[in-house]
Amino acid sequence: EVQLVQSGAEVKKPGESLKISCKGSGYSFSSYWIGWVRQMPGKGLEWMGIIHPGDSDTRYSPSFQGQVAISGDKSISTAFLQWSSLKASDTAIYYCARLDVVIGFDYWGQGTLVTVSS
Amino acid sequence: SYELTQPPSVSVSPGQTARITCSGDALPKKYAYWYQQKSGQAPVVVIYEDSKRPSGISERFSGSSSGTMATLTISGAQVEDEADYYCYSTDSSGNLYWVFGGGTKLTVL
Repeated sequence: EVQLVQSGAEVKKPGESLKISCKGSGYSFSSYWIGWVRQMPGKGLEWMGIIHPGDSDTRYSPSFQGQVAISGDKSISTAFLQWSSLKASDTAIYYCARLDVVIGFDYWGQGTLVTVSS
Repeated sequence: SYELTQPPSVSVSPGQTARITCSGDALPKKYAYWYQQKSGQAPVVVIYEDSKRPSGISERFSGSSSGTMATLTISGAQVEDEADYYCYSTDSSGNLYWVFGGGTKLTVL
């Protein structure tokens, strides 16, 4: 069974750093792109970027380029989303999802709630 | 940056047909995908490559695309179809990034 399990909810202060994770199982992790999607409170889905764990090829939305870093470690079947200096506006649920080149995002993690507040 | 435009809301009575549109300049060349997100849940793909339905998705869901507009049709909408629906596609400029539409809240009552 394909599963993506994300790390737990985080509460941080502005200016702090953060790295959240997404661990895949039940499939060949290195063979599929993993994407990250933001959903701010009460708002829609935003495509942040994708990474191919096999070769670490990474693509970013222009809206998120330079704001976050996407990485992966295929040895532990895990993708990461990282901030060096959080802002209150980073408060959101962040989803990871497996990208099938035909179907699109076919499996999703449960989401990680990140709250940034002083 | 590339944008996909959806109506904010659509409302139908149970058993009626709901149509949700998505407008984008690159849609004549690029596939549209549709995701359903129920309250408090992760999204689920209901249509891929304009009109194909993943296994396990109800036959009530269908998709089409013509020119710069893609359409998700829910035939005989049920109360359980009430959700937010997002279209998803990429631009044709070679920038290699994807976008979601703003989302449409479907109310079935």
